[in-house]
Amino acid sequence: AQSVTQLGSHVSVSEGALVLLRCNYSSSVPPYLFWYVQYPNQGLQLLLKYTSAATLVKGINGFEAEFKKSETSFHLTKPSAHMSDAAEYFCAVRNTGANSKLTFGKGITLSVRP
Amino acid sequence: DAGVTQSPTHLIKTRGQQVTLRCSPKSGHDTVSWYQQALGQGPQFIFQYYEEEERQRGNFPDRFSGHQFPNYSSELNVNALLLGDSALYLCASSLEGFYGYTFGSGTRLTVV
Repeated sequence: AQSVTQLGSHVSVSEGALVLLRCNYSSSVPPYLFWYVQYPNQGLQLLLKYTSAATLVKGINGFEAEFKKSETSFHLTKPSAHMSDAAEYFCAVRNTGANSKLTFGKGITLSVRP
Repeated sequence: DAGVTQSPTHLIKTRGQQVTLRCSPKSGHDTVSWYQQALGQGPQFIFQYYEEEERQRGNFPDRFSGHQFPNYSSELNVNALLLGDSALYLCASSLEGFYGYTFGSGTRLTVV
């Protein structure tokens, strides 16, 4: 069985500060890993994905994440937060089989202070 | 190119009633998955349809059922609604053999 742990439910940063959202996963097989963002009253938008190519993955809106197998982690970072980054962020894992289901973490709410 | 379309966007139902939610996948996609997102939680996998058959199912009771049509669109049916069924229901489409999912904006179901 696969699982995702996102520590902390809420992260608050100042505009321009580093954003770090943590994600640890558990999987018995090599995983694919994803970060999604959800704005209020909207669906999920893919930020970036790891699919066993480069371990440092760059996504949209300046976000990136690094896959660390030894730490079973896939933390999301952005060097400088913008007010528009305020949203809920979900880490998800799936195995590499075709069309396997996504297993999500509980999500982290990111607030950005002016 | 239209993405995933879900309807309705919101609805309110009474406990014990039945509801049907609809999803049109992204053009070119042939697989539809449904997720339930309770308030303050991450999405939970309900089931996945491919070639008009349920291929995978999450830990949801039989009150939750679905259907996929020849044009790849899908319906999610929930019978005997409970207050705990109140949630955002997300549809995600994908293409068999590929890892990318496209999510719709969801249907917000409120059971009173």
